[in-house]
Amino acid sequence: QKEVEQDPGPLSVPEGAIVSLNCTYSNSAFQYFMWYRQYSRKGPELLMYTYSSGNKEDGRFTAQVDKSSKYISLFIRDSQPSDSATYLCAMTRNSNYQLIWGAGTKLIIKP
Amino acid sequence: EAQVTQNPRYLITVTGKKLTVTCSQNMNHEYMSWYRQDPGLGLRQIYYSMNVEVTDKGDVPEGYKVSRKEKRNFPLILESPSPNQTSLYFCASKTSGTYGYTFGSGTRLTVV
Repeated sequence: QKEVEQDPGPLSVPEGAIVSLNCTYSNSAFQYFMWYRQYSRKGPELLMYTYSSGNKEDGRFTAQVDKSSKYISLFIRDSQPSDSATYLCAMTRNSNYQLIWGAGTKLIIKP
Repeated sequence: EAQVTQNPRYLITVTGKKLTVTCSQNMNHEYMSWYRQDPGLGLRQIYYSMNVEVTDKGDVPEGYKVSRKEKRNFPLILESPSPNQTSLYFCASKTSGTYGYTFGSGTRLTVV
């Protein structure tokens, strides 16, 4: 079993919808959680970063961590066609450890 | 512009022919890393370097070599490429003690 599980999709939703992307993990030592966005033919770019449990909001994006359930989510409000990309979750114990990555969810926002 | 530059972007080679993929960053980052990305498997770390002359194996180091003689450069060397090394490769860098990587645009390698 992988340490981090992420549904590969694709997830297709109409423009303007609220999108929910999720990852589950097995290692309770993970404390730092990240979401990266990867456009086609590009490298991943950091979107959101969260420490421990709770919510973090940045514009239309909200990252949520539930350590008791070992479950993290990324919500996108008022989704736009430009949000179409692959979203990868990543997590680690601290900066001295390597990141453990989910396989990525491909998101398609239909105009 | 702050960036990680990889070359080449695309490469088709034959089994056994040594190749080098270059990576250079202009952000004075201490930490650099090489990943390969395969469908369904996500990003897997090949090698990483915490600073000049300090390198260490990641999850899938077999068949690869790296060196870190200068802070800005971190080349990936395939001494004898095999078809199972066909993949999309990314170089990434970050400041030590932080969590946000800056990635290059990727090198798509095909070994026939």
